[in-house]
Amino acid sequence: DAGVTQSPTHLIKTRGQQVTLRCSPKSGHDTVSWYQQALGQGPQFIFQYYEEEERQRGNFPDRFSGHQFPNYSSELNVNALLLGDSALYLCASSLRQTAKETQYFGPGTRLLVL
Amino acid sequence: AQKITQTQPGMFVQEKEAVTLDCTYDTSDQSYGLFWYKQPSSGEMIFLIYQGSYDEQNATEGRYSLNFQKARKSANLVISASQLGDSAMYFCAMSRMDSNYQLIWGAGTKLIIKP
Repeated sequence: DAGVTQSPTHLIKTRGQQVTLRCSPKSGHDTVSWYQQALGQGPQFIFQYYEEEERQRGNFPDRFSGHQFPNYSSELNVNALLLGDSALYLCASSLRQTAKETQYFGPGTRLLVL
Repeated sequence: AQKITQTQPGMFVQEKEAVTLDCTYDTSDQSYGLFWYKQPSSGEMIFLIYQGSYDEQNATEGRYSLNFQKARKSANLVISASQLGDSAMYFCAMSRMDSNYQLIWGAGTKLIIKP
């Protein structure tokens, strides 16, 4: 049973560039959530996708956008990168309408903006 | 506003001892979930244990148990018989069931197990 996968594992970009991160959910899951984790801090919720629509959004600017595909995989796009966007980006998948809605995480993508 | 507080930035524990990691939460919601995750230095967030706000019994998963005290709004993680591989960051999180189960996180506790 494949777990959550993310690509790439590491990425280096320069300010002003754009980046796309990818996530494939755990088999059987239909919901994908994205989190940003700065060094030494807990994760911060970016947004969540279900049925190919953004269902919930955290306090992040419009530079952060996403997409969910019919096979439930998802992309996170960040435009006009800032130094402060350097972080570990975590993708989590879950199954909607289960009592626990436990989110299972991928290994993350480490983004460094120079 | 919902908030998770983890008051122990770091802990050192001798191998084979039990350890308790503290977590308190603040919410006005009636229905919510509480989670503990482990994050090794590799970065992956590993699910450990879940407690629902209406669950009357404390959750247990192998060596992990969650000491849930609803009136005090605390959800402490207890690890029995600690092992060297337990060294990691530990995060407490809460889901809002009226908000598509968005997770709100604490700042984490760094646990180091000494041989």
